[in-house]
Amino acid sequence: GAVVSQHPSRVICKSGTSVKIECRSLDFQATTMFWYRQFPKQSLMLMATSNEGSKATYEQGVEKDKFLINHASLTLSTLTVTSAHPEDSSFYICSARPRGHTDTQYFGPGTRLTVL
Amino acid sequence: KNQVEQSPQSLIILEGKNCTLQCNYTVSPFSNLRWYKQDTGRGPVSLTIMTFSENTKSNGRYTATLDADTKQSSLHITASQLSDSASYICVVSAGKTSYDKVIFGPGTSLSVIP
Repeated sequence: GAVVSQHPSRVICKSGTSVKIECRSLDFQATTMFWYRQFPKQSLMLMATSNEGSKATYEQGVEKDKFLINHASLTLSTLTVTSAHPEDSSFYICSARPRGHTDTQYFGPGTRLTVL
Repeated sequence: KNQVEQSPQSLIILEGKNCTLQCNYTVSPFSNLRWYKQDTGRGPVSLTIMTFSENTKSNGRYTATLDADTKQSSLHITASQLSDSASYICVVSAGKTSYDKVIFGPGTSLSVIP
């Protein structure tokens, strides 16, 4: 149980285009979802926290207009990288916190974004 | 400043050998500490979670220890296997409830070679 999926697993796009990444909790309801970015040989960096039905809370230094987060349901959150540039190339990972659990989060498998 | 440090940064061991990874933290107030295993190109998977009152916790060949006084934790891997090659991340939750800050360590990259 407690499976989190991400789609796509890998995406290559041209500079200037927008890319949407989906994060789904497959067998539980997630009241909170987190989006992380991970550069090579570095640990995860929290980008934003989203609660179902409300606006996401972004970490300092993360542009909310560039990284659009929508948490439309208890099982789905999306991250849209708008006007992507090569420096946005990274490994994006989501995690989901089950309803009623204050100290648990399950991670998705990640999405490798490459911007040419 | 809440911070989590890990050592060593990377480690290479022979298959079948044991190893110990270290995690030091300066996090207050402490809520819990988790060890995650992250395979290359994959998301992290939780190995253990420890609260303030727990000193040791095992999960198969993985044993985590916690010393809340010295703010140190270790992850011991016994009889290593090639599939243990991964990044091991120490994550500390800070706050009176775990809704508060989660701080990730930089990870230790473990390579198990035949």
